Amino acid sequence: GENVEQHPSTLSVQEGDSAVIKCTYSDSASNYFPWYKQELGKGPQLIIDIRSNVGEKKDQRIAVTLNKTAKHFSLHITETQPEDSAVYFCAARTGGSYIPTFGRGTSLIVHP
Amino acid sequence: NAGVMQNPRHLVRRRGQEARLRCSPMKGHSHVYWYRQLPEEGLKFMVYLQKENIIDESGMPKERFSAEFPKEGPSILRIQQVVRGDSAAYFCASSPGQAISGNTIYFGEGSWLTVV
Repeated sequence: GENVEQHPSTLSVQEGDSAVIKCTYSDSASNYFPWYKQELGKGPQLIIDIRSNVGEKKDQRIAVTLNKTAKHFSLHITETQPEDSAVYFCAARTGGSYIPTFGRGTSLIVHP
Repeated sequence: NAGVMQNPRHLVRRRGQEARLRCSPMKGHSHVYWYRQLPEEGLKFMVYLQKENIIDESGMPKERFSAEFPKEGPSILRIQQVVRGDSAAYFCASSPGQAISGNTIYFGEGSWLTVV
């Protein structure tokens, strides 16, 4: 089955800095890669996703890049704000499966 | 536009009791997923259901755990004879189940089970 590795497990940045979270996947058939943000005591919320026919996608301060050859994808957050502090999860799903496999999460802390 | 609704949000059970967690998917969604999250850990897949049908339960413990999604009403995750190790957050997610839409899944706010 699919295996998703996520790094780093904890990321601490100053407000205004950029943050990058990286994930690798094992199944070359994976074609859908969502990212979720989970605030304390809440459920994961989808923030951005990318499909394998696209190399990069951007939504305001958030961008995701995908390198299919290397089987890795990354989340980029620019101009970080304290409210960006949360746990971020990447996931990968193959075309033949409805079930995404999640990374272990990255705890992002943005210091004011 | 209601999202995925889970209840109860918090549940306390004594060892040996039963826990029932309910999930109503988003309007128009016919597929439900259950995930478990232990403290400081990621989301572990448990079971994937359509109405009246379990599609994949490969992540579900073989004993004490069961799930259903009846024709009418919410999906239910049932844990019998709970033990302290069952203490976790249980998240339900739903999707339209249509390949054309990409099957993006949306999570509920979770049910936090504490076994004392």
